[in-house]
Amino acid sequence: DGGITQSPKYLFRKEGQNVTLSCEQNLNHDAMYWYRQDPGQGLRLIYYSQIVNDFQKGDIAEGYSVSREKKESFPLTVTSAQKNPTAFYLCASSIIEEADEQFFGPGTRLTVL
Amino acid sequence: AQSVTQPDIHITVSEGASLELRCNYSYGATPYLFWYVQSPGQGLQLLLKYFSGDTLVQGIKGFEAEFKRSQSSFNLRKPSVHWSDAAEYFCAVGTGFQKLVFGTGTRLLVSP
Repeated sequence: DGGITQSPKYLFRKEGQNVTLSCEQNLNHDAMYWYRQDPGQGLRLIYYSQIVNDFQKGDIAEGYSVSREKKESFPLTVTSAQKNPTAFYLCASSIIEEADEQFFGPGTRLTVL
Repeated sequence: AQSVTQPDIHITVSEGASLELRCNYSYGATPYLFWYVQSPGQGLQLLLKYFSGDTLVQGIKGFEAEFKRSQSSFNLRKPSVHWSDAAEYFCAVGTGFQKLVFGTGTRLLVSP
């Protein structure tokens, strides 16, 4: 079945450690996205990528980094510079058309202790 | 800047009753509008979308939404709510290629 997978579902890290969240899609979509979700704040865009080896900052990119070495993969690293990393992280993908829908993965809940 | 307002944080509806979730947007051009649903701890699923044409759009699970340009609104409706509809609902506006701005969500509770 085509879809987006995110792993792990739950992730615990100590403060000051970098952590990488995985996102893989087999939908053959060109565009991929990372969102952060906090209670009462909806979804906020962290980074997005429209093509391999290229990506752009979203609204809250500080303290995060990404790479796009393969079309199907878009890992997100939460660095120690992110001041409040505990959140629910959602990955999405879409085709390259202006108004097409984004398909979402199941999410990763990151808790920093 | 583009924005989406969902004025209701929580709504409780009796099972079998009708539902309307409000969404207002701010965007200078013709918007692309979406409604997504999220069950607890899960990703988002698209319910419906509006690009152009007929202002009343039908979606999955019996949902519909009406685009009203004069009111900058895109309210979601369902004539008869089922207990399985309990979830969080997000309205979003497409602001340019692949970029979405989301509202803060409305949590729907369904009472017996």
